[in-house]
Amino acid sequence: DTGVSQDPRHKITKRGQNVTFRCDPISEHNRLYWYRQTLGQGPEFLTYFQNEAQLEKSRLLSDRFSAERPKGSFSTLEIQRTEQGDSAMYLCASSLNRRKKETQYFGPGTRLLVL
Amino acid sequence: GQNIDQPTEMTATEGAIVQINCTYQTSGFNGLFWYQQHAGEAPTFLSYNVLDGLEEKGRFSSFLSRSKGYSYLLLKELQMKDSASYLCAVGPSYNNNDMRFGAGTRLTVKP
Repeated sequence: DTGVSQDPRHKITKRGQNVTFRCDPISEHNRLYWYRQTLGQGPEFLTYFQNEAQLEKSRLLSDRFSAERPKGSFSTLEIQRTEQGDSAMYLCASSLNRRKKETQYFGPGTRLLVL
Repeated sequence: GQNIDQPTEMTATEGAIVQINCTYQTSGFNGLFWYQQHAGEAPTFLSYNVLDGLEEKGRFSSFLSRSKGYSYLLLKELQMKDSASYLCAVGPSYNNNDMRFGAGTRLTVKP
């Protein structure tokens, strides 16, 4: 049983460029979450999918951010026209929604640095 | 809204016991989670409490009081490898589907 994987692990880009991150969840998990984490803070929720449907987006997710989960399996998070403030660790987590008990398992994250 | 508060830093000695407290205010509740996060790595799941009381799992135990909006994580027989950040998080509820994290408590274990 493989865990959650993310690619790339590190990304350095110039301000104004677009970047795309990928997340592969645990295979039987139906929910997939994206979080952003900056130094000294806990993860902040960005958005989540149940199967292929994007059910909730945080107000943190500006129109430069878009996420997809086209077949209900892997997901991508794209940031357009990156800004220096986008520099952070982007974490993906997946879970199996079973009644009210739901534990999220995190991937290793993608660390983004915008120069 | 939801507020989750936990101490910023704690220091303890190898072999000792440490208790990390977490208080929360939330409009909905469906479980209290503790995660461990080593520097530069992703959070890893430690424990989950949905009912009041103590859940024990090896050297780690977690306690919840829903009426007081309070939880703690107890770490026994501390080891150097326990040096990490410990994140308290309130789980998804009927009116919000995301998990809200505290800022984390950075624990340093000294010899």
